[in-house]
Amino acid sequence: KAGVTQTPRYLIKTRGQQVTLSCSPISGHRSVSWYQQTPGQGLQFLFEYFSETQRNKGNFPGRFSGRQFSNSRSEMNVSTLELGDSALYLCASSLGAGGPQETQYFGPGTRLLVL
Amino acid sequence: AQSVTQLGSHVSVSEGALVLLRCNYSSSVPPYLFWYVQYPNQGLQLLLKYTSAATLVKGINGFEAEFKKSETSFHLTKPSAHMSDAAEYFCAVSGLGGANSKLTFGKGITLSVRP
Repeated sequence: KAGVTQTPRYLIKTRGQQVTLSCSPISGHRSVSWYQQTPGQGLQFLFEYFSETQRNKGNFPGRFSGRQFSNSRSEMNVSTLELGDSALYLCASSLGAGGPQETQYFGPGTRLLVL
Repeated sequence: AQSVTQLGSHVSVSEGALVLLRCNYSSSVPPYLFWYVQYPNQGLQLLLKYTSAATLVKGINGFEAEFKKSETSFHLTKPSAHMSDAAEYFCAVSGLGGANSKLTFGKGITLSVRP
C-alpha cells in the first residue's frame, strides 16, 4: 500500500505571495492532519480534516487554511506569506474513526522557503 | 490540556551502548502516547505507541518504552545503539480520538551515535 504523498517536496516563494500544498493520504484513510515544523517552535498542529470537514484546528492565523476533497486528498493554503512561514509542512493520514488505535502516518513533507 | 516534555535536546552514545530518551507527559485524561523518529530530510516514522493494553510497549528497530503512571513518564530505550539510530526522536500525546485526535509533540531529542 502506498504511503502518504506530498507535493511539491520543495518550494521557494517571496513575501506576500500565496502557496498551496497538496497531500494524498493512504488509501482508505479519511482523516488528514497538517503540522508545521520549525527549528524554533518544533512540531505544531495546524488542522485536521475528516470527510471534507475541518474537525480540529490549531492556533494559527486565518492566513492558513485547508480543504479536503471527496477522495480524501487535502490541500493547505497559506496566503500573504511571511518570512516566518518558512518551515517543513507535514501531512499525516489516519483512518479517522478515532479511538486509541488511531495512528497517524506521516508524509515526507513539503519544505517551504519564504524569501 | 495535554503536553509532553522531553528533557535535553541532544543525547550522544557510543555504538553498542544503551539508549535512553526521556519523555514526561501531562494529561487530565488517560493518555495515548507515541514515539516517532525523523531521519534527515524525511517525515516522521512511528516507532511505538501506548494505548493502555500493556505498560511495556515494544516497537520497531529494537526500541521499547515503558509507561509509568506514577512517574508520568514514557521513556524510550534500546539496549544496544546502532549507527543507523542517529536521528531525531519525538514523543507525542494524543487525546481520545475524534476532536481530540491531534498530536501534541515534545521538542524532540537528537540522538548521535559515536563509532
